[in-house]
Amino acid sequence: IAGITQAPTSQILAAGRRMTLRCTQDMRHNAMYWYRQDLGLGLRLIHYSNTAGTTGKGEVPDGYSVSRANTDDFPLTLASAVPSQTSVYFCASSENSAGPGDTQYFGPGTRLTVL
Amino acid sequence: GQNIDQPTEMTATEGAIVQINCTYQTSGFNGLFWYQQHAGEAPTFLSYNVLDGLEEKGRFSSFLSRSKGYSYLLLKELQMKDSASYLCAASDSNYQLIWGAGTKLIIKP
Repeated sequence: IAGITQAPTSQILAAGRRMTLRCTQDMRHNAMYWYRQDLGLGLRLIHYSNTAGTTGKGEVPDGYSVSRANTDDFPLTLASAVPSQTSVYFCASSENSAGPGDTQYFGPGTRLTVL
Repeated sequence: GQNIDQPTEMTATEGAIVQINCTYQTSGFNGLFWYQQHAGEAPTFLSYNVLDGLEEKGRFSSFLSRSKGYSYLLLKELQMKDSASYLCAASDSNYQLIWGAGTKLIIKP
């Protein structure tokens, strides 16, 4: 089934631990994105990748890192988790990153709680 | 700065019509998206406007006025399954999306 998958679905993590959220798409989209969604706030862009091998910082990149070794995978790593990183994390992809109307398609999300 | 404003919550009756407004301020503008998000689920694409005017897609229509920095989503013949949050997002000069906090729409029988 074409689309985006994320893992894990949910996770409870102790502060200070390292965590990698996984994201895989099978639509051969060039661009991929990581957002966090917090109550009362809009989706906020953490990092993005316009194409395999390149990454960029979004609005709230501190405490997060990403890599894009191939087209399909875009993992997000929290090097040392803090409670303020408790959030729902969405991965998204679009065919291209710099075209009008490039629709972003979202994965099901990962609910992360940092204690 | 860049900003998107939309109402936090709206209530409407099954079978009725509701209009959800969105105003935006962005550095550059490359279009306006509307997404639907059911509770606990991912956002899903509804519509995209880049030119002024109304785009109709079944029960849902979206309107854009670039000069006013304004858009609305119009939902007709409301159904209970339309209960969801509706997210407005503007594409800026770098084609990055600036998101509103979403409007939670409650449908009553």
